[in-house]
Amino acid sequence: DQQVKQNSPSLSVQEGRISILNCDYTNSMFDYFLWYKKYPAEGPTFLISISSIKDKNEDGRFTVFLNKSAKHLSLHIVPSQPGDSAVYFCAASADSGNTPLVFGKGTRLSVIA
Amino acid sequence: SQTIHQWPATLVQPVGSPLSLECTVEGTSNPNLYWYRQAAGRGLQLLFYSVGIGQISSEVPQNLSASRPQDRQFILSSKKLLLSDSGFYLCAWVQLGAGANVLTFGAGSRLTVL
Repeated sequence: DQQVKQNSPSLSVQEGRISILNCDYTNSMFDYFLWYKKYPAEGPTFLISISSIKDKNEDGRFTVFLNKSAKHLSLHIVPSQPGDSAVYFCAASADSGNTPLVFGKGTRLSVIA
Repeated sequence: SQTIHQWPATLVQPVGSPLSLECTVEGTSNPNLYWYRQAAGRGLQLLFYSVGIGQISSEVPQNLSASRPQDRQFILSSKKLLLSDSGFYLCAWVQLGAGANVLTFGAGSRLTVL
């Protein structure tokens, strides 16, 4: 049973436009959410996080939105750049992040120049 | 500063052969350590995690095992590899209680079982 779902395996966006990556979760105990970015043959790198006490967290071009009632979060990248092309993983944890992260299957973002 | 090392980076092994992947963390003490696997179409799957020396929690039953002989060393092993063990193995660590509980990953080990 997948607790963290990224239903779009891939997404293509033009450079300069907004990229929106979506993530849904089923476990109501999750209270801490993260996004990771992964290039081929490298380990994932942390991008941005949000705790369940917030509904938005912003860091430069990256913003994460959390809708607890819908058990949905999204990552917005504005403006998108070719260097943003990577696989993005959504992850969730319970107990304020003290339990192991559960990851989605990832969404491959391609930013076209 | 903290760093995490994984080796080997690439490995090609025949079915039935043993496996040993090693991970070490520097610049921290008593971290939580994790082994994840990225297989095609499967995302990042948690295999094992450890909260201390000799303490291993297994998330997925399989022919892999993990050991933590030292505080900052985490080893992934198998006695006999299967074709389905092919994938990209990632070691990660987190220092709980030090602010945001963000996993930091190593560069990964690509295993191909033939």
